[in-house]
Order: sequence, then structure tokens, then C-alpha cells
Amino acid sequence: DIVMTQSPDSLAVSLGERATINCKSSQSVLYSSNNKNYLAWYQQKPGQPPKLLVFWASTRESGVPDRFSGSGSGTDFTLTISSLQAEDVAVYYCHQYYSTPQTFGQGTKVEIK
Amino acid sequence: EVQLVESGGGLVQPGRSLRLSCTASGFTLGDFAMSWFRQAPGKGLEWVGFIRSKAYGVTTEYAASVKGRFTISRDDSKSIAYLQMNSLKTEDTAVYYCTRVTNCGGDCYGDYWGQGTLVTVSS
Repeated sequence: DIVMTQSPDSLAVSLGERATINCKSSQSVLYSSNNKNYLAWYQQKPGQPPKLLVFWASTRESGVPDRFSGSGSGTDFTLTISSLQAEDVAVYYCHQYYSTPQTFGQGTKVEIK
Repeated sequence: EVQLVESGGGLVQPGRSLRLSCTASGFTLGDFAMSWFRQAPGKGLEWVGFIRSKAYGVTTEYAASVKGRFTISRDDSKSIAYLQMNSLKTEDTAVYYCTRVTNCGGDCYGDYWGQGTLVTVSS
């Protein structure tokens, strides 16, 4: 199984400041035949289902604000919120769909400082 | 508008069975694979399994924790996906989500999620 490890577990950022979440996979999720990283990021607010933010490691889902961006390749990935807004308070998960069982990071809780 | 609505959750005793339904609207269910995920109270997300579309043979994959106990099926004519859960254990207590798997030519991510249904396994 591919183990996904996020860091940090939680972070507090001032409004308007940058928030950075890291995700490391125990093996590469880059599929060589199409050069795509099988990595997605989700946002989950309390009492709500997860919401897709980014797929293929760096492609923003339609309707997601451009302050959210994904980067990385192979085994190391980052989700960046360039200017934190109050509505971004949530838990963020990385998710690999490269192989089954599909697995998630443990989640990173983002709060306002 | 794509919508997924889970139903069938509730309180069930250990060892009993429960069937969850995921009713889809706003798209043709038969064109997509469907996944099930779960989230235990206060915990993270766990993949349960998925069922591929007819184009990919309606094959299924499961997490080791549920393999042999859970079965995913689909009725494309009714636009419903199912999760049959047998021999339930207390550790199966969770909110269960169904998702539409985006078409990427293979096994992919969920682009739309339902609101979830709570399954509580307790005596």
C-alpha cells in the first residue's frame, strides 16, 4: 500500500498570509506512460463532505479560487493557499489514486491565527 | 446539476447486514465508475472500494478491511449504486460517502461526492 504522510498536522496562519501543506508518498505516484501524477487534494469543512480542489497534482478543479495551487511530482507534493481567507478554515487531505488501495494523508487542519 | 444522495444508514448490531444506496442524478451513471469512501467519527478518510463502468467490465476493487464482507454493485437503469455490508463490526462505524469517479481512462479520483450517510454498528 502507498502510505501518504502530510505535514504539518495543523497550522495557524494569519488572514491574507500563505499556508503551505506538504504531502509525501511512500512510492512514486507518477505514471510514466502519460507523465501524470495521480494525486488529488480535497478540502473538508465540518459536517460537510470533502470537496475536490486539485487533481493530477496541479490542475485546479473548476470553480476553485486561484489562491489554491498544487505542485510537486513523484513522491513530494504541496498545496499552497496564497492568501488565506476565513472560509478556508478546514481540514485538507491529499489522496493518491495511482494504485489500489487508494489512500489518503492523515489530514492537515488549517486555522486562523 | 450532478447530485449523489446516499441512503440506508442507521444503527445496526454487530454481525448484521446493511445495504446503502447512492442515487445519482444529473449525469448518466452508466458512463462512470463509482467509489465508496468512509470516515469514522473524528478520523480521516478511508477508501472502501469502487465499481468500474460497463465499458471496463463492471469490475470491483475493495480495501482489505472490507474485502469478503462488503459488495459494491450498480443498477445503471435506476441510476443507483449500492454498498452491501455484511458481518458488520464496530469498527465499520462511519459516515459513508459515494463519489462519482471522473473519466480518465483508468481508476481515478472522485469529482462529486454525496453528503454521506452514517452507519453505527453497536449492540
